[in-house]
Amino acid sequence: GQNIDQPTEMTATEGAIVQINCTYQTSGFNGLFWYQQHAGEAPTFLSYNVLDGLEEKGRFSSFLSRSKGYSYLLLKELQMKDSASYLCAVRDRFGTGTASKLTFGTGTRLQVTL
Amino acid sequence: EAGVAQSPRYKIIEKRQSVAFWCNPISGHATLYWYQQILGQGPKLLIQFQNNGVVDDSQLPKDRFSAERLKGVDSTLKIQPAKLEDSAVYLCASSLLGDSMNTEAFFGQGTRLTVV
Repeated sequence: GQNIDQPTEMTATEGAIVQINCTYQTSGFNGLFWYQQHAGEAPTFLSYNVLDGLEEKGRFSSFLSRSKGYSYLLLKELQMKDSASYLCAVRDRFGTGTASKLTFGTGTRLQVTL
Repeated sequence: EAGVAQSPRYKIIEKRQSVAFWCNPISGHATLYWYQQILGQGPKLLIQFQNNGVVDDSQLPKDRFSAERLKGVDSTLKIQPAKLEDSAVYLCASSLLGDSMNTEAFFGQGTRLTVV
């Protein structure tokens, strides 16, 4: 099985930088995803990491260390519209087959304030 | 490109009643997921299909929940009988088949179920 941990809540100021951490334990790691979910809406894809290192996409970056079972999502130049939940999801292969399943953490609720 | 379609958007039922949800994935997506999301929590995987076969249903309460994807396209999730703790948003997602690629899951708008 998997164990995915994220902080429950974070608060940051508009214009600032915030880092949301995610740690995981899995036996057949096959990729890590970050999703954004606004209240009452469906999750939307933000980023994907499968190799160690940093992936940058505009104001959002995501980092992965497979040896440490650790990822973070970095949000720069925070805007009020970034107030949302951020979900870390791990894809891992199970058994001896090639199928993978996608498991989500509990999410981190980010509140951006003035 | 059409997204993942789900219906109904909202459903209110009494406990012990039955309910069914429908999902039509993005065309060509072999993998289909049903997640349950209780308020304030992350999505919990109930069942995952690859074409019309079940990949994982380890967290599906099989005494009351069932799901099928008979032709490998659209899918239905049923709860019979419902309990109060089944109140949640039921999210359907789909993705291309390709475990070695960035095959992100695309989500539908979800069905918000309230059991009273």
